[in-house]
Amino acid sequence: GAGVSQSPSNKVTEKGKDVELRCDPISGHTALYWYRQRLGQGLEFLIYFQGNSAPDKSGLPSDRFSAERTGESVSTLTIQRTQQEDSAVYLCASKVGANTEAFFGQGTRLTVV
Amino acid sequence: GIQVEQSPPDLILQEGANSTLRCNFSDSVNNLQWFHQNPWGQLINLFYIPSGTKQNGRLSATTVATERYSLLYISSSQTTDSGVYFCAGPGATNKLIFGTGTLLAVQP
Repeated sequence: GAGVSQSPSNKVTEKGKDVELRCDPISGHTALYWYRQRLGQGLEFLIYFQGNSAPDKSGLPSDRFSAERTGESVSTLTIQRTQQEDSAVYLCASKVGANTEAFFGQGTRLTVV
Repeated sequence: GIQVEQSPPDLILQEGANSTLRCNFSDSVNNLQWFHQNPWGQLINLFYIPSGTKQNGRLSATTVATERYSLLYISSSQTTDSGVYFCAGPGATNKLIFGTGTLLAVQP
């Protein structure tokens, strides 16, 4: 696609439910990143994919968070048993390779009520 | 991993004024990006600038990799320049490390 696409744009869920957030990177981009941004805060790294592998998942805050990537393309971030502190904007970025420019999607705004 | 510090943390300008934002890195970086996050939350790429100077309209950026800093210049600021400016560089395992941002408010 022309840019990084994330869906849904907004998600409201009840505490305790599971949610799946999707990221479609730019075609041909092998590197993919997930970040979390709480209101008024900076970007918090969650996980980095190179191809379908995740060499760095050090930012996942708990075992309720998981992510996968298939076909060196689409990635899904899953949050199980959501908590109110999970409320944030989840941003995805992709880039071609190591020393290249990263591009971000528009984000998914998650609200846990 | 590397640390990224941005200054100033916030800035208020009158429309038409110029400003300089700074990004310091704790270690050398081989690529660096500047982003603008507009009031709607969208992260917009401004510059990919591992070294040297680039210009795009009223904005320009300079990275001095050997001294571990980068500068973003905004000239003749406009209200649409308001938002948060982030710089980011590569950390261990190639993940992007972001600074804490500079919150810019341009008043008419």
